[in-house]
Amino acid sequence: EAQVTQNPRYLITVTGKKLTVTCSQNMNHEYMSWYRQDPGLGLRQIYYSMNVEVTDKGDVPEGYKVSRKEKRNFPLILESPSPNQTSLYFCASSLLAGYNEQFFGPGTRLTVL
Amino acid sequence: AQKVTQAQTEISVVEKEDVTLDCVYETRDTTYYLFWYKQPPSGELVFLIRRNSFDEQNEISGRYSWNFQKSTSSFNFTITASQVVDSAVYFCALSEEGSGGSNYKLTFGKGTLLTVNP
Repeated sequence: EAQVTQNPRYLITVTGKKLTVTCSQNMNHEYMSWYRQDPGLGLRQIYYSMNVEVTDKGDVPEGYKVSRKEKRNFPLILESPSPNQTSLYFCASSLLAGYNEQFFGPGTRLTVL
Repeated sequence: AQKVTQAQTEISVVEKEDVTLDCVYETRDTTYYLFWYKQPPSGELVFLIRRNSFDEQNEISGRYSWNFQKSTSSFNFTITASQVVDSAVYFCALSEEGSGGSNYKLTFGKGTLLTVNP
């Protein structure tokens, strides 16, 4: 089944404790992206990747890191999480950037205490 | 300034009413792409439609229709004879070239919460 998977789905952590949210797609998509969704703010892009080893900042990259060492994986890293990073996070992928629709993962609800 | 504006934060209708969700975008690119996504109460994001900047044809898919007008930078979404299952948050999104020249950023509007009451 073609899909985007994220893990974990739910995470409660404490300020400053490094964490990684994994994202994997099995559709051989070149473009992958991370978004956060907050009430009243909609979806905001954190980072995106056009292809392996090619990443770029979205609109809200501060406090996040990403890597794209393999085509299928695009982990989101929070080196020192803070409470303002409490949010619902979505990973997405598309065949190519621009024209193609994005397929979204199920979301990861993160709470930073 | 917002690149994608969905001025209607919440809309509430009664089943079988028609409803239009507005989307106004802003871009300097001549080539860009517009999308609508649906987020039902279960939380997943579902793709509904895509339009490129060179195709202003309106589209109809069952009870859904989309009106793209470059002259007013709008890409509105109409649901005819709404049903309770249409209750969701609807997002309009714009894909345009980023600072890298060939990179594409996707910008979402803040979404419109549609509630269809029986």
